[in-house]
Amino acid sequence: TQLLEQSPQFLSIQEGENLTVYCNSSSVFSSLQWYRQEPGEGPVLLVTVVTGGEVKKLKRLTFQFGDARKDSSLHITAAQPGDTGLYLCAGGEGGSYIPTFGRGTSLIVHP
Amino acid sequence: SQTIHQWPATLVQPVGSPLSLECTVEGTSNPNLYWYRQAAGRGLQLLFYSVGIGQISSEVPQNLSASRPQDRQFILSSKKLLLSDSGFYLCAWSVPGTVSYNSPLHFGNGTRLTVT
Repeated sequence: TQLLEQSPQFLSIQEGENLTVYCNSSSVFSSLQWYRQEPGEGPVLLVTVVTGGEVKKLKRLTFQFGDARKDSSLHITAAQPGDTGLYLCAGGEGGSYIPTFGRGTSLIVHP
Repeated sequence: SQTIHQWPATLVQPVGSPLSLECTVEGTSNPNLYWYRQAAGRGLQLLFYSVGIGQISSEVPQNLSASRPQDRQFILSSKKLLLSDSGFYLCAWSVPGTVSYNSPLHFGNGTRLTVT
């Protein structure tokens, strides 16, 4: 069974700070997705990365897929209270119907 | 465009009562369908998934069951709820075929179930 470890589990920061969260595995994934979940709602897809070394930007969010496709990071620049939520990474394998989810990083951005 | 509907949004049920949660998807055919349960603010536990009508795979043995009576309808049921069944239940779909590359999950807004 493939596992995805996310760190840190919890993060509490002030508005304007930068932060990075990590998603690591000893296994190779064919794709990796990042989701954000707000309280009481379902997770919403932020990005999918599929190529080793790939970097994608979504406004103040920068996503990177490791060269070996075993890990990924999410960097947020100048965090805002609206960034508050649970960030989940999920890895996909070719031939599988089931993505592997990490346990998430809970982010709180204080105004 | 595709949409997913999940209801009810919240539910309070006594121990021993039955359960039925429903999920429907619009705008796509033969989607992969999933039921997840989430502990408070944490990761997702896969309960069931389905790749077609009448095809259900269970990931965790428990007193819950799932059915897919129609192509885009997925139902989570229990005959007798336990206190431990309380949680946040999420339905999701992905494009037909394998989960790979650009085939992320699309989630409903969840059902908050409290068993008293």
